[in-house]
Amino acid sequence: NAGVTQTPKFRVLKTGQSMTLLCAQDMNHEYMYWYRQDPGMGLRLIHYSVGEGTTAKGEVPDGYNVSRLKKQNFLLGLESAAPSQTSVYFCASSYSGRRGRPNEQFFGPGTRLTVL
Amino acid sequence: AQTVTQSQPEMSVQEAETVTLSCTYDTSESDYYLFWYKQPPSRQMILVIRQEAYKQQNATENRFSVNFQKAAKSFSLKISDSQLGDAAMYFCVSPSGYALNFGKGTSLLVTP
Repeated sequence: NAGVTQTPKFRVLKTGQSMTLLCAQDMNHEYMYWYRQDPGMGLRLIHYSVGEGTTAKGEVPDGYNVSRLKKQNFLLGLESAAPSQTSVYFCASSYSGRRGRPNEQFFGPGTRLTVL
Repeated sequence: AQTVTQSQPEMSVQEAETVTLSCTYDTSESDYYLFWYKQPPSRQMILVIRQEAYKQQNATENRFSVNFQKAAKSFSLKISDSQLGDAAMYFCVSPSGYALNFGKGTSLLVTP
């Protein structure tokens, strides 16, 4: 099992460029998440999905879009990158626990994105 | 907004000693999971321990244990017999519907 993988691992963009980050999991998990991590801020939730074809906004969704066309994949898009989006991005997946609540999250290795 | 508070941005412990990291959280849910995650310099997020809120017994995993006080919404992590490999950022995580809230983290330094 590969677990949770993220593509790419590093990327440098210029302001205004677009890109898509790909997250894939092979654990048949229902729930998937995108976070960003900035110094001193912990992890902040951008968007998440509770199943194929569903998405929901997290704490910091502005400037990002997501899609989950297949259960195993969760894509994060930046339509017009800004320097404020320079961050480390983590994808995670989780299985359903008691009463459908998310159980342990499994994380990808992260993507370091720099926007110049 | 439901939040997680880790009041100790940095902690230091000597090898073989015991250290406790504090966490308080806010949730309106009654049945949920709480977690402590560790992030070493490699950046990989690693689950340290999980607590199921409906269980009164505190969770333990080898040298790691928690003190879970549901009414007080407190969830501290105790690391016994600290090792150099325990040096990392530790995050307390609490529920928010189908998502999870992360605290800002406690950086643990382990000295020989």
